[in-house]
Amino acid sequence: GDSVTQMEGPVTLSEEAFLTINCTYTATGYPSLFWYVQYPGEGLQLLLKATKADDKGSNKGFEATYRKETTSFHLEKGSVQVSDSAVYFCALTYTGNQFYFGTGTSLTVIP
Amino acid sequence: DAGVIQSPRHEVTEMGQEVTLRCKPISGHDYLFWYRQTMMRGLELLIYFNNNVPIDDSGMPEDRFSAKMPNASFSTLKIQPSEPRDSAVYFCASSFHKDTQYFGPGTRLTVL
Repeated sequence: GDSVTQMEGPVTLSEEAFLTINCTYTATGYPSLFWYVQYPGEGLQLLLKATKADDKGSNKGFEATYRKETTSFHLEKGSVQVSDSAVYFCALTYTGNQFYFGTGTSLTVIP
Repeated sequence: DAGVIQSPRHEVTEMGQEVTLRCKPISGHDYLFWYRQTMMRGLELLIYFNNNVPIDDSGMPEDRFSAKMPNASFSTLKIQPSEPRDSAVYFCASSFHKDTQYFGPGTRLTVL
């Protein structure tokens, strides 16, 4: 079946470090891929998305490229800030009416 | 737009009581989703609606849970009777056609 696998957390980085959070997916077709972010005490917010192979989603310095050949959508940021501390969820959808979410990766950035 | 609105933000109740969670989706959105989030199980889809009609309720844990969407701007998730294991954060989300889901701030439910 369709699913998303994220790297286990928690991840702890120093400010200005490079961030990678791995996400791979299993799908029988050509899904859209998403990264959502959840700040403490809040709901999930869309961070970025990509709808077809080789698309790059980007927002707030974060980027992820839809790689069909490796079935991956890894999240990257060149220089993290304390304010990026949150839980990050990778997700996929085909029809839009059901999302498959990963288990979430907790990121803590220390000054 | 105000975004997805959920109420209450926090609910503390005693085991056996009825709990009703409320959601107002973004105007114009035709899909509405209810999720539950716990540390143990992560984010779980409970049920979703399309144009006010329940499409898939396979994620509803048991008969104690029920959800309704009487119109395009309101949905409820009811738990009766509530149990301590129902303690979680419940999220409502909405979307327009086959696109991004927008989440509400969640209701933190504690059942004592």
